Amino acid sequence: GAGVSQSPSNKVTEKGKDVELRCDPISGHTALYWYRQSLGQGLEFLIYFQGNSAPDKSGLPSDRFSAERTGGSVSTLTIQRTQQEDSAVYLCASSPHPRGRQGETQYFGPGTRLLVL
Amino acid sequence: AQSVAQPEDQVNVAEGNPLTVKCTYSVSGNPYLFWYVQYPNRGLQFLLKYITGDNLVKGSYGFEAEFNKSQTSFHLKKPSALVSDSALYFCAVRDRGGYNKLIFGAGTRLAVHP
Repeated sequence: GAGVSQSPSNKVTEKGKDVELRCDPISGHTALYWYRQSLGQGLEFLIYFQGNSAPDKSGLPSDRFSAERTGGSVSTLTIQRTQQEDSAVYLCASSPHPRGRQGETQYFGPGTRLLVL
Repeated sequence: AQSVAQPEDQVNVAEGNPLTVKCTYSVSGNPYLFWYVQYPNRGLQFLLKYITGDNLVKGSYGFEAEFNKSQTSFHLKKPSALVSDSALYFCAVRDRGGYNKLIFGAGTRLAVHP
């Protein structure tokens, strides 16, 4: 079946502009995660959505970062007033309900490579 | 605090030889442990996981990993390396008490030479 998809695959923007990154999780997966992969910081957790529960935003690096998930499916990560240090690969993952043996595995999309000039 | 250490930035091995990519972890309680692989310009692909039960876990592409609670390790192994195994490998841990984020190691680049 289809995996996690992300768009765009690459994004180049100017410092100070806003960007939106999109994630389509695997159909039926209730949990959705955003991570950031950068040279200096490795792979960092950003935010987690589970069903209709309030998201876990504990990994968001600043209030310029926000994310929403509409209808329990598609998610958008928004970065306002981008800075050069925001340049990274943004990875989305989804999993079945995280409780229970089958729900433990997170399946990742190909990522969006963001470059802030 | 939870953490994962991958002590080797790079591992070099000749094709056909066994390979080991090391991972140690620190969590409060029993862990869920994962290995992922990343090929150039691709996302992370799931290889295998340890949740409970048998300490030796078998995964995709002939890889396996052994959970060692006393040494808090979860090393990735393969009996015979292929050139196509060359990639970036990540170990990750999740505390059983949490239902969300994975904590990743820094990654180990595996280079398999013909």
